[in-house]
Amino acid sequence: GAVVSQHPSRVICKSGTSVKIECRSLDFQATTMFWYRQFPKQSLMLMATSNEGSKATYEQGVEKDKFLINHASLTLSTLTVTSAHPEDSSFYICSASFLAGGGNEQFFGPGTRLTVL
Amino acid sequence: AQSVTQLGSHVSVSEGALVLLRCNYSSSVPPYLFWYVQYPNQGLQLLLKYTTGATLVKGINGFEAEFKKSETSFHLTKPSAHMSDAAEYFCAVSRTPYGGSQGNLIFGKGTKLSVKP
Repeated sequence: GAVVSQHPSRVICKSGTSVKIECRSLDFQATTMFWYRQFPKQSLMLMATSNEGSKATYEQGVEKDKFLINHASLTLSTLTVTSAHPEDSSFYICSASFLAGGGNEQFFGPGTRLTVL
Repeated sequence: AQSVTQLGSHVSVSEGALVLLRCNYSSSVPPYLFWYVQYPNQGLQLLLKYTTGATLVKGINGFEAEFKKSETSFHLTKPSAHMSDAAEYFCAVSRTPYGGSQGNLIFGKGTKLSVKP
Protein backbone atom coordinates (compact mmCIF):
# COMPACT_ATOMS: atom_id res chain seq x y z
CA GLY A 1 0.00 0.00 0.00
CA ALA A 2 0.80 3.72 0.05
CA VAL A 3 1.95 3.95 -3.56
CA VAL A 4 2.52 7.27 -5.28
CA SER A 5 2.95 7.53 -9.03
CA GLN A 6 4.20 10.32 -11.25
CA HIS A 7 3.62 10.95 -14.92
CA PRO A 8 5.51 11.37 -17.10
CA SER A 9 8.74 9.83 -15.87
CA ARG A 10 10.74 11.82 -18.41
CA VAL A 11 9.89 14.85 -20.52
CA ILE A 12 11.90 16.90 -22.97
CA CYS A 13 10.50 20.22 -24.12
CA LYS A 14 11.52 23.35 -25.96
CA SER A 15 12.30 26.56 -24.17
CA GLY A 16 9.19 28.68 -23.68
CA THR A 17 6.71 25.84 -23.52
CA SER A 18 4.78 24.69 -20.47
CA VAL A 19 4.99 21.23 -18.97
CA LYS A 20 2.54 19.52 -16.62
CA ILE A 21 3.61 16.79 -14.21
CA GLU A 22 1.04 14.64 -12.42
CA CYS A 23 1.35 13.10 -8.99
CA ARG A 24 -1.19 10.49 -7.91
CA SER A 25 -1.74 8.59 -4.70
CA LEU A 26 -2.93 5.22 -5.96
CA ASP A 27 -4.32 3.54 -2.87
CA PHE A 28 -4.91 6.23 -0.30
CA GLN A 29 -6.32 9.70 0.01
CA ALA A 30 -3.60 12.29 0.30
CA THR A 31 -4.54 15.24 2.47
CA THR A 32 -1.22 16.89 1.72
CA MET A 33 1.14 16.67 -1.22
CA PHE A 34 4.67 18.02 -1.47
CA TRP A 35 6.75 18.94 -4.49
CA TYR A 36 10.55 18.73 -4.45
CA ARG A 37 13.22 19.38 -7.03
CA GLN A 38 16.68 17.85 -7.16
CA PHE A 39 19.60 19.16 -9.17
CA PRO A 40 22.42 16.75 -10.07
CA LYS A 41 24.46 15.76 -7.03
CA GLN A 42 22.34 18.03 -4.82
CA SER A 43 19.77 17.47 -2.11
CA LEU A 44 16.05 17.28 -2.63
CA MET A 45 14.71 20.77 -2.02
CA LEU A 46 11.11 21.37 -1.03
CA MET A 47 9.36 23.67 -3.48
CA ALA A 48 5.82 23.78 -2.14
CA THR A 49 3.22 22.11 0.03
CA SER A 50 -0.37 21.73 -1.09
CA ASN A 51 -3.49 20.69 0.74
CA GLU A 52 -6.49 19.43 -1.20
CA GLY A 53 -8.81 22.22 -2.16
CA SER A 54 -6.61 25.10 -1.07
CA LYS A 55 -3.75 27.13 -2.47
CA ALA A 56 -0.25 25.77 -2.28
CA THR A 57 2.31 27.19 0.13
CA TYR A 58 5.55 27.94 -1.66
CA GLU A 59 8.99 27.93 -0.13
CA GLN A 60 11.06 31.07 -0.16
CA GLY A 61 12.62 31.68 -3.53
CA VAL A 62 10.18 29.53 -5.49
CA GLU A 63 8.14 31.53 -8.01
CA LYS A 64 4.47 30.66 -7.64
CA ASP A 65 3.65 32.02 -11.10
CA LYS A 66 6.38 29.88 -12.61
CA PHE A 67 5.49 26.66 -10.84
CA LEU A 68 1.73 26.29 -10.74
CA ILE A 69 0.43 23.68 -8.35
CA ASN A 70 -3.10 22.33 -8.37
CA HIS A 71 -4.39 19.86 -5.81
CA ALA A 72 -7.99 19.50 -6.93
CA SER A 73 -8.66 16.07 -5.50
CA LEU A 74 -7.45 13.84 -2.69
CA THR A 75 -5.55 11.64 -5.12
CA LEU A 76 -4.10 14.05 -7.67
CA SER A 77 -1.78 17.02 -7.62
CA THR A 78 -0.24 18.63 -10.67
CA LEU A 79 2.83 20.79 -11.11
CA THR A 80 2.94 22.95 -14.21
CA VAL A 81 6.24 24.53 -15.16
CA THR A 82 5.22 27.55 -17.20
CA SER A 83 7.41 29.02 -19.93
CA ALA A 84 10.13 26.55 -19.14
CA HIS A 85 13.77 27.51 -19.62
CA PRO A 86 16.94 25.40 -19.57
CA GLU A 87 17.61 26.37 -15.95
CA ASP A 88 14.34 24.63 -15.00
CA SER A 89 15.81 21.31 -16.11
CA SER A 90 15.80 19.16 -13.01
CA PHE A 91 14.39 16.09 -11.32
CA TYR A 92 10.97 16.79 -9.80
CA ILE A 93 9.69 14.52 -7.04
CA CYS A 94 6.35 14.56 -5.31
CA SER A 95 5.28 13.01 -2.05
CA ALA A 96 1.92 12.51 -0.43
CA SER A 97 0.80 12.07 3.12
CA PHE A 98 -2.28 11.09 5.06
CA LEU A 99 -3.02 10.93 8.73
CA ALA A 100 -1.56 7.66 9.96
CA GLY A 101 -1.73 7.09 13.69
CA GLY A 102 -1.61 10.80 14.21
CA GLY A 103 1.40 11.30 12.00
CA ASN A 104 1.89 12.50 8.47
CA GLU A 105 4.43 10.15 6.95
CA GLN A 106 5.39 11.13 3.42
CA PHE A 107 5.26 8.58 0.58
CA PHE A 108 7.34 9.49 -2.42
CA GLY A 109 6.77 9.18 -6.14
CA PRO A 110 9.53 7.95 -8.49
CA GLY A 111 10.23 11.40 -9.88
CA THR A 112 10.04 13.15 -13.26
CA ARG A 113 13.15 14.13 -15.21
CA LEU A 114 12.54 17.43 -17.04
CA THR A 115 14.94 18.54 -19.75
CA VAL A 116 14.38 21.93 -21.35
CA LEU A 117 16.23 22.49 -24.60
CA ALA B 1 18.01 26.13 10.91
CA GLN B 2 18.63 22.51 10.06
CA SER B 3 21.04 20.85 7.66
CA VAL B 4 22.37 17.41 6.79
CA THR B 5 25.78 16.32 5.54
CA GLN B 6 26.34 12.90 4.06
CA LEU B 7 30.00 12.03 3.84
CA GLY B 8 30.79 10.26 0.61
CA SER B 9 28.64 10.52 -2.48
CA HIS B 10 29.58 6.98 -3.47
CA VAL B 11 30.40 4.00 -1.25
CA SER B 12 31.43 0.61 -2.59
CA VAL B 13 31.53 -2.57 -0.50
CA SER B 14 31.86 -6.26 -1.19
CA GLU B 15 28.96 -8.59 -0.68
CA GLY B 16 28.95 -9.75 2.94
CA ALA B 17 30.96 -6.78 4.16
CA LEU B 18 29.84 -4.15 6.65
CA VAL B 19 27.89 -1.22 5.27
CA LEU B 20 28.48 2.16 6.90
CA LEU B 21 26.86 5.29 5.48
CA ARG B 22 27.63 8.46 7.35
CA CYS B 23 25.23 11.25 8.20
CA ASN B 24 25.84 14.32 10.34
CA TYR B 25 23.18 16.88 11.07
CA SER B 26 22.84 20.37 12.39
CA SER B 27 19.72 21.43 14.25
CA SER B 28 18.80 24.17 16.69
CA VAL B 29 15.92 22.08 18.04
CA PRO B 30 15.69 18.40 18.98
CA PRO B 31 15.87 16.65 15.63
CA TYR B 32 13.84 13.91 14.08
CA LEU B 33 16.08 11.88 11.79
CA PHE B 34 15.34 9.66 8.83
CA TRP B 35 17.03 7.38 6.34
CA TYR B 36 15.41 6.80 2.97
CA VAL B 37 16.45 4.42 0.20
CA GLN B 38 15.81 4.94 -3.48
CA TYR B 39 16.07 2.05 -5.91
CA PRO B 40 16.35 2.84 -9.63
CA ASN B 41 13.12 4.19 -11.10
CA GLN B 42 11.34 4.04 -7.75
CA GLY B 43 10.32 6.59 -5.13
CA LEU B 44 12.14 7.18 -1.87
CA GLN B 45 11.23 4.52 0.70
CA LEU B 46 11.55 5.06 4.45
CA LEU B 47 14.19 2.74 5.92
CA LEU B 48 14.03 3.88 9.50
CA LYS B 49 13.53 6.94 11.65
CA TYR B 50 14.50 8.30 15.03
CA THR B 51 11.91 10.31 16.90
CA THR B 52 12.42 9.91 20.66
CA GLY B 53 13.44 7.16 23.06
CA ALA B 54 15.93 4.45 22.17
CA THR B 55 18.86 5.87 20.25
CA LEU B 56 19.53 2.67 18.31
CA VAL B 57 16.87 2.35 15.67
CA LYS B 58 16.24 -0.75 13.62
CA GLY B 59 14.74 -0.53 10.19
CA ILE B 60 13.81 -2.71 7.29
CA ASN B 61 16.15 -5.03 5.40
CA GLY B 62 18.53 -5.42 8.35
CA PHE B 63 19.60 -1.77 8.51
CA GLU B 64 20.00 0.14 11.73
CA ALA B 65 21.16 3.59 12.77
CA GLU B 66 22.27 5.12 16.01
CA PHE B 67 21.46 8.65 17.09
CA LYS B 68 24.48 10.18 18.81
CA LYS B 69 23.64 13.62 20.08
CA SER B 70 27.18 14.40 21.23
CA GLU B 71 28.49 13.70 17.76
CA THR B 72 25.43 15.07 15.92
CA SER B 73 25.47 11.89 13.88
CA PHE B 74 22.99 9.33 12.63
CA HIS B 75 25.08 6.81 10.70
CA LEU B 76 23.41 3.93 8.88
CA THR B 77 24.85 0.43 9.20
CA LYS B 78 24.20 -3.11 8.07
CA PRO B 79 26.43 -5.98 9.21
CA SER B 80 26.48 -7.84 5.92
CA ALA B 81 25.83 -6.25 2.53
CA HIS B 82 23.67 -7.96 -0.04
CA MET B 83 23.60 -7.30 -3.75
CA SER B 84 20.02 -6.08 -3.41
CA ASP B 85 21.20 -3.26 -1.12
CA ALA B 86 22.68 -1.40 -4.08
CA ALA B 87 20.74 1.86 -4.21
CA GLU B 88 20.93 5.52 -3.26
CA TYR B 89 20.48 6.40 0.39
CA PHE B 90 19.30 9.74 1.74
CA CYS B 91 19.56 11.02 5.28
CA ALA B 92 17.05 13.67 6.35
CA VAL B 93 16.25 15.80 9.39
CA SER B 94 13.02 17.45 10.45
CA ARG B 95 11.53 19.42 13.31
CA THR B 96 8.56 17.02 13.42
CA PRO B 97 8.19 13.22 13.55
CA TYR B 98 7.27 12.89 9.91
CA GLY B 99 8.45 16.06 8.28
CA GLY B 100 4.86 16.84 7.53
CA SER B 101 3.13 20.13 7.19
CA GLN B 102 4.56 21.43 10.46
CA GLY B 103 8.15 20.82 9.61
CA ASN B 104 9.93 20.18 6.35
CA LEU B 105 12.22 17.29 5.60
CA ILE B 106 15.75 18.56 4.99
CA PHE B 107 17.70 16.07 2.91
CA GLY B 108 21.36 15.31 2.47
CA LYS B 109 22.81 14.96 -1.02
CA GLY B 110 22.59 11.21 -0.96
CA THR B 111 25.09 8.36 -1.00
CA LYS B 112 25.11 5.80 -3.76
CA LEU B 113 25.90 2.34 -2.46
CA SER B 114 27.45 -0.21 -4.80
CA VAL B 115 27.83 -3.85 -3.78
CA LYS B 116 30.48 -5.95 -5.49
CA PRO B 117 30.06 -9.72 -5.79
